[in-house]
Amino acid sequence: AQTVTQSQPEMSVQEAETVTLSCTYDTSENNYYLFWYKQPPSRQMILVIRQEAYKQQNATENRFSVNFQKAAKSFSLKISDSQLGDTAMYFCAFKTYSGGGADGLTFGKGTHLIIQP
Amino acid sequence: GAGVSQSPSNKVTEKGKDVELRCDPISGHTALYWYRQRLGQGLEFLIYFQGNSAPDKSGLPSDRFSAERTGESVSTLTIQRTQQEDSAVYLCASSLRGGAGTNYGYTFGSGTRLTVV
Repeated sequence: AQTVTQSQPEMSVQEAETVTLSCTYDTSENNYYLFWYKQPPSRQMILVIRQEAYKQQNATENRFSVNFQKAAKSFSLKISDSQLGDTAMYFCAFKTYSGGGADGLTFGKGTHLIIQP
Repeated sequence: GAGVSQSPSNKVTEKGKDVELRCDPISGHTALYWYRQRLGQGLEFLIYFQGNSAPDKSGLPSDRFSAERTGESVSTLTIQRTQQEDSAVYLCASSLRGGAGTNYGYTFGSGTRLTVV
């Protein structure tokens, strides 16, 4: 079974600063997918960024980028020039290529990110 | 519809009553997932439907929980004889297709907040 660990229950930074959220995972598979989701107070989970394990290049979406270290099984999210609207819960998720139970999708417990004005 | 729709948005029920939660996925999405999110916690997998295949019920916590899906459309999650521990946000997500080798992304609804008093 896969596990996803987010070791930072809560983080707080000042607006415009850069913040990095950590995520590690455990798997015996070589092919898989990784995601970061944002959950604002509206409760809806919003996809921030995703990475295919076979791609060596780190994914980037505007102010959001990842540092994917496959050997270390690490998938951190970097938010640059943080904005008040970035305040939310952030969940790291892993999906196996092989499917299986829960369709192979596992979520971490989340990090509550607070952007201070 | 344009997104995943869940109803009701909020539900308060008395302990021992049955409740039905509804999820209307994106049209054409064959995969549908139910998750439970307790206060301050991550997402807990409940059940996964893929097309007309037998659903993956491995996450249902007890026989008080059941879910149905009519074809590739609406799904209902039923909780019988509700307990206070059932209080949580119930999130539904859909995907174009699930299964091994797929990564079509997930669209989540805004969830139903269930409060058992």
